[in-house]
Amino acid sequence: QQQVKQSPQSLIVQKGGISIINCAYENTAFDYFPWYQQFPGKGPALLIAIRPDVSEKKEGRFTISFNKSAKQFSLHIMDSQPGDSATYFCAARFGRGSGNTGKLIFGQGTTLQVKP
Amino acid sequence: KAGVTQTPRYLIKTRGQQVTLSCSPISGHRSVSWYQQTPGQGLQFLFEYFSETQRNKGNFPGRFSGRQFSNSRSEMNVSTLELGDSALYLCASSLSRASGRGNEQFFGPGTRLTVL
Repeated sequence: QQQVKQSPQSLIVQKGGISIINCAYENTAFDYFPWYQQFPGKGPALLIAIRPDVSEKKEGRFTISFNKSAKQFSLHIMDSQPGDSATYFCAARFGRGSGNTGKLIFGQGTTLQVKP
Repeated sequence: KAGVTQTPRYLIKTRGQQVTLSCSPISGHRSVSWYQQTPGQGLQFLFEYFSETQRNKGNFPGRFSGRQFSNSRSEMNVSTLELGDSALYLCASSLSRASGRGNEQFFGPGTRLTVL
């Protein structure tokens, strides 16, 4: 069972454009939603994260939009740069009292290519 | 502050052998989680250790096991290796098990295991 569904699988964007990656979850026991960026040969690095009581969080060129009722969240990368080319993973973490506290479930990943 | 370190970085084994991977968390972090990353299955949760006790376990066979030491360092062991165990094994550490700001999971670079 895929608890966190991520789309698209791959994305090509022109430099300066907006990259949008979407995720949907099913389990309401999740209480924390991070995004990770992974370059080849490296481990995932935390990019930005949000809690479900907030509808939007912005850090620099990266914004998470969160829709609790729809159980969806998305990552927007503004003014995309070639250096942003990487694989992006959304994730959801089980909260306290869920029986799975701290367990992190990942989406399948999106490979982003930003063309110069 | 030093990041999460994993050793070895690369490993080649043959079917039927066993392997032990090591993870040193960020200083002060007490929770260590392990993940398996493959092109087909993405990032899958293996298990989490906190205070030397396994707190969560993913859907992997009993051949996959782990432990955590009093200094929070962790090891995972895979016995009777199969070709399908070839993957990048990632370790992540966090301060505690709770979700939220200040308690994000930070990943190491991973151990690339190849089973021949």
